[in-house]
Parts: sequence; C-alpha cells; structure tokens
Amino acid sequence: DAKTTQPTSMDCAEGRAANLPCNHSTISGNEYVYWYRQIHSQGPQYIIHGLKNNETNEMASLIITEDRKSSTLILPHATLRDTAVYYCIVRTNTNAGKSTFGDGTTLTVKP
Amino acid sequence: GAVVSQHPSWVICKSGTSVKIECRSLDFQATTMFWYRQFPKQSLMLMATSNEGSKATYEQGVEKDKFLINHASLTLSTLTVTSAHPEDSSFYICSARDPGANSGANVLTFGAGSRLTVL
Repeated sequence: DAKTTQPTSMDCAEGRAANLPCNHSTISGNEYVYWYRQIHSQGPQYIIHGLKNNETNEMASLIITEDRKSSTLILPHATLRDTAVYYCIVRTNTNAGKSTFGDGTTLTVKP
Repeated sequence: GAVVSQHPSWVICKSGTSVKIECRSLDFQATTMFWYRQFPKQSLMLMATSNEGSKATYEQGVEKDKFLINHASLTLSTLTVTSAHPEDSSFYICSARDPGANSGANVLTFGAGSRLTVL
C-alpha cells in the first residue's frame, strides 16, 4: 500500500466545514483512496473512497487532485459527533483486509 | 448495510487464562475476516486474516499459537488469546468486506471492538 501522510490533529468549529488533507505522493495507478473514521472506543467506520474523480455521499465529499498525489476529505457541516480519528488509506481493490492504518488525524469539533 | 458484531465488548481476565472473542457477520456471509489489535493512543494493527475452512494467515510478529483463530462457518470467526498476560491487554477489532459496497470497491465493515484487560 502507498504510504500516506496526515496532520496529527485539527480543530473545527461546529457547523463549519472540516477539510482533512492526506498526502499520498507514491500512489500507483490502480490504488484507491479510502477514508475511515474511528470514534473513541469504537470500531472504524467507512466514510468514502475514490480512484481519481471527486466523490460525494451522504457523509462527506472526497476531492482528489489531478495528479492523485493528495486528497481532501470534506465534512460540509461538522457536528460534535464528528469528533474522531480520521484515517486515509491508499490501496488496490484486492485483499481489502490488509489495509494499513497510519496514525490518522484527530479531528476535534468544538462548539 | 453490512453489520459485523463482536462479543464480548469488554472482558477482564486473570493472567494465564484464555479468552475467546467472537466476530459474526449478521446479514451476510464472509469467507474472510480480519483481526486487528489497537493499543491506547495507537493506530490499528492487522494481526491476521481469518479464512473460512482453512488456516488463518498471520502477520509478521504475531504468534499464531498465542492468538488462535478459527473460522468454522461463513458467519463466525473467533479469536482466542491463550495464556493471556497483562501485555495482551488491548482493543481487538474484527472486520469483513462489505458485500453491498459498490462493485469494484473493497470496503471494510468493522465490529465495535472487544476491550481485553488482563490482570
């Protein structure tokens, strides 16, 4: 799996958009970008994934740069319940379980 | 969506005893499940891949005789921590591929985790 780099922590005001960056400069052509989050003392939760096009679902938007070397997860209207550790994972679509979780970004949404 | 259930959610045991953690796929069949371990303030570490009807595949550095994995059916994988010691205290999480995810995607659905404390 390609290595990813994320900021250790970020703060966001409640109701504002949270933009979480991820660098993956060594990504290869067949690797996808996946985002998961882990709320304290719970199992991780899938958020979104993409290959090269921007993606949006009910939880978030994923913006992938044209060269695919970085991406940004956007939570459009952050709530206190979005406080969690967010993991960016880059991998192919084979053998999904061998996903390498880095240290992630601890997002704290403040009132 | 696909649901993975773990039991127990937390367990306390004495040093030297064995503890079994169950991971069930509730509404789908999972030929493969994955076991992770997470120490406080650290990220998830993949321990092993559980394969239905065959031996588990362990990651480097994980003792297969200490962490016994059994995947006897398409909906159940178990992790047994044998002769547990305080250093085995951790948060154990299982996962499986979500069959309902978009075609071509390998989305994982995770259990809620099992917190083991060895006294």
